[in-house]
Amino acid sequence: EVQLVESGGGLVQPGRSLKLSCVASGFTFSNYGMNWIRQAPGKGLEWVAYISSGSSYIYYAETVKGRFTISRDNAKNTLYLQMTSLRSEDTALYYCARPRLTTVAPNWFAYWGQGTLVTVSS
Amino acid sequence: DIVMTQSPSSLAVSAGETVTINCKSSQSLLSSGNQKNYLAWYQQKPGQSPKLLIYLASTRESGVPDRFIGSGSGTDFTLTISSVQAEDLADYYCQQHYSYPLTFGSGTKLEIK
Repeated sequence: EVQLVESGGGLVQPGRSLKLSCVASGFTFSNYGMNWIRQAPGKGLEWVAYISSGSSYIYYAETVKGRFTISRDNAKNTLYLQMTSLRSEDTALYYCARPRLTTVAPNWFAYWGQGTLVTVSS
Repeated sequence: DIVMTQSPSSLAVSAGETVTINCKSSQSLLSSGNQKNYLAWYQQKPGQSPKLLIYLASTRESGVPDRFIGSGSGTDFTLTISSVQAEDLADYYCQQHYSYPLTFGSGTKLEIK
């Protein structure tokens, strides 16, 4: 069974940093690209970032480019999101999501974690 | 970036009725290479993570009831839920998987009268 478990969320002041983790199990993590997707309270879904299986391809949403860094450790089956210069508008539930296919090409999200809540406030 | 416009933003129906949710993309999601449309639909029940319903515009995910039907091509897509049940109370989102950045529609809240 595919499982994705996020952690690392919490309350952080504007301008500060936070690092999220997502531990994967139930599949060969190193075969799949991975994504972060967020959802502000009461709002819709926003794709944040993608990293390919071997970290060669990385894409970001414009809203986080230059502030967030996606990375992964295939030996630890773990996906990361380093968030810096946090703003109030980054407040959201952050999901990690695995696509259906192993290709780098965009595809759909077949598996989602439960999310970790990041609150940016003074 | 591809903008996804979803409508309506909310609707309320009685159990047993048929529901139609629309999703329009700012550019075609039809691949000229394989003639497939790169659009997915998700269901998000209150307090839960999103769940994949449909991909490639009309392919139902394993385990999804056949009352959920995806259709459309190019820039105009529809999710039809026939004979709505109380358990279908949820938010529904479309998503283009044609190009990065991946983008979602703004969502449709389905309420059951």
